[in-house]
Amino acid sequence: DTAVSQTPKYLVTQMGNDKSIKCEQNLGHDTMYWYKQDSKKFLKIMFSYNNKELIINETVPNRFSPKSPDKAHLNLHINSLELGDSAVYFCASSQGQGGNSPLHFGNGTRLTVT
Amino acid sequence: KQEVTQIPAALSVPEGENLVLNCSFTDSAIYNLQWFRQDPGKGLTSLLLIQSSQREQTSGRLNASLDKSSGRSTLYIAASQPGDSATYLCAVESGRSKLTFGKGITLSVRP
Repeated sequence: DTAVSQTPKYLVTQMGNDKSIKCEQNLGHDTMYWYKQDSKKFLKIMFSYNNKELIINETVPNRFSPKSPDKAHLNLHINSLELGDSAVYFCASSQGQGGNSPLHFGNGTRLTVT
Repeated sequence: KQEVTQIPAALSVPEGENLVLNCSFTDSAIYNLQWFRQDPGKGLTSLLLIQSSQREQTSGRLNASLDKSSGRSTLYIAASQPGDSATYLCAVESGRSKLTFGKGITLSVRP
């Protein structure tokens, strides 16, 4: 009965490769997010989708491309991986925007680029 | 640009102590403020959400207050337990679906 699930949990890959992280939520929320947590534990938003529509794109390199096939899924595809992409990536969801709905987070995907 | 600050970065207390975690933000035009807990290797768990029109929220041993005009929030933990050891993050929603996080306070409660 996991609310926000993302796969894989760990991802180790070489520079230059392309990889994807998948996220699904079963909470019926209409807004989903990708956050990046760097080595200093600083959490920063990357993207936000509301009902499959992109509403936030926080100056993320265009090597990162989110895709939302439906409002329960938000996948993240990364092209030409670089060393600096190593981080923990969190998917999250909420109901609505700017109000009374807390964010629900997945357990994260730890990406290591070698 | 919204900035969220949490000081100190780490805190160690003996079990049973009441404690206060502080959070400050630079732009008072917010929709809400949220407190989260993060355990090692895990995602964030929402603890409390205070809407901009509210002054405080309570859940069990946790009480969060919000002073929007001064850009401050506190998370009060009563009778701390070793199981409370985690990183506590404060975040403010000040744009459409956009949360800005502090760097967190790593709390260690000693038995």
